[in-house]
Amino acid sequence: AQTVTQSQPEMSVQEAETVTLSCTYDTSESDYYLFWYKQPPSRQMILVIRQEAYKQQNATENRFSVNFQKAAKSFSLKISDSQLGDAAMYFCAYREYGNKLVFGAGTILRVKS
Amino acid sequence: DSGVTQTPKHLITATGQRVTLRCSPRSGDLSVYWYQQSLDQGLQFLIHYYNGEERAKGNILERFSAQQFPDLHSELNLSSLELGDSALYFCASSLSLAGGPLDTQYFGPGTRLTVL
Repeated sequence: AQTVTQSQPEMSVQEAETVTLSCTYDTSESDYYLFWYKQPPSRQMILVIRQEAYKQQNATENRFSVNFQKAAKSFSLKISDSQLGDAAMYFCAYREYGNKLVFGAGTILRVKS
Repeated sequence: DSGVTQTPKHLITATGQRVTLRCSPRSGDLSVYWYQQSLDQGLQFLIHYYNGEERAKGNILERFSAQQFPDLHSELNLSSLELGDSALYFCASSLSLAGGPLDTQYFGPGTRLTVL
């Protein structure tokens, strides 16, 4: 079964600075999707960014970008110009064949003003 | 707002009881997924329905069941509730089954279940 590992339980960043959240996964598939979801204190799960494994180009959404290293099975999230509203739990997720999502344990991001 | 709605937002009940959680997917989405988020188990996939048919089961207890109705809304039924069933239950929806970018899952706000 596929597994997703987020090795950083908690991270802190100063407002306006850049932070990178790590994620590794294990799969024998060659074609798959990876996601980062954000869960703020409201508990809503919000899609941040999506990466298709067959695309070599790293996905970018405004201040959010990923560093996708397929051979290393690594999928990190970079947040630039961090804002107070970025404070949340961030989950890395792998979409298995059949479409279910397998989530990592999450990383709590704290943003300091 | 993802377009996925879940009711109720909060539910407090006693052990041994039965509850029903409701989910309405985004307009046009045919797939509904249920996930459970608990402190000890993290986010776990429970079950997936597509256009009324069950497609996949995850770590779903036999005391739990679900269904998707012709209007595509889904209900998750939890019975003989135990203290350990206290969790946040999410519904997510996606367009189809093809597995492409259109099948990105969008989550509802969740139902917080507390079993006393």
